[in-house]
Amino acid sequence: DQQVKQNSPSLSVQEGRISILNCDYTNSMFDYFLWYKKYPAEGPTFLISISSIKDKNEDGRFTVFLNKSAKHLSLHIVPSQPGDSAVYFCAASSSGSARQLTFGSGTQLTVLP
Amino acid sequence: NAGVTQTPKFRVLKTGQSMTLLCAQDMNHEYMYWYRQDPGMGLRLIHYSVGEGTTAKGEVPDGYNVSRLKKQNFLLGLESAAPSQTSVYFCASSRSLVAETQYFGPGTRLLVL
Repeated sequence: DQQVKQNSPSLSVQEGRISILNCDYTNSMFDYFLWYKKYPAEGPTFLISISSIKDKNEDGRFTVFLNKSAKHLSLHIVPSQPGDSAVYFCAASSSGSARQLTFGSGTQLTVLP
Repeated sequence: NAGVTQTPKFRVLKTGQSMTLLCAQDMNHEYMYWYRQDPGMGLRLIHYSVGEGTTAKGEVPDGYNVSRLKKQNFLLGLESAAPSQTSVYFCASSRSLVAETQYFGPGTRLLVL
């Protein structure tokens, strides 16, 4: 049973527009959430994170929103650029699991020029 | 500063053969992890280590063994490879459990025939 779900395998967005990637989780013990970005033939790289004590964290063009009551988080990329085309993984951890990361299945973002 | 490196990049094995995947990090990180990634699934934790000489099981440990004899190296062993172990393997490291950001290597693609 997947505890972290990314229900959209793929997303296409026009350059300059907003990209919104979604992630849902079921484990209420998760208290830290991360987004990783992965290009083909490379390992995932950390993008942005958020603690459960916050509902928003912003870093340049990237903003992560957390809705604890809905057990939902989203990553907003504004404006989207062709170089943002990659697979985006949502991950979550809890203090009770030795901070192991549980990953979603990923969303392939394609930004069209 | 190479970060996290993995050896080899690609390997083909026959069922029943054994092999060892090597992960090395030069960031003096205490924590190291081995994940596997399969199509349509997120990264799943195989084993991890919280320090030199210590290892622990993750979500999918069966069929794998690990060793952390030196702080900078984390080895993943397959004693008798099976086709179900065909996957892409990622190693990661992190500074501590408090700093949840993990840094990933480029991956090892393993094909078991």
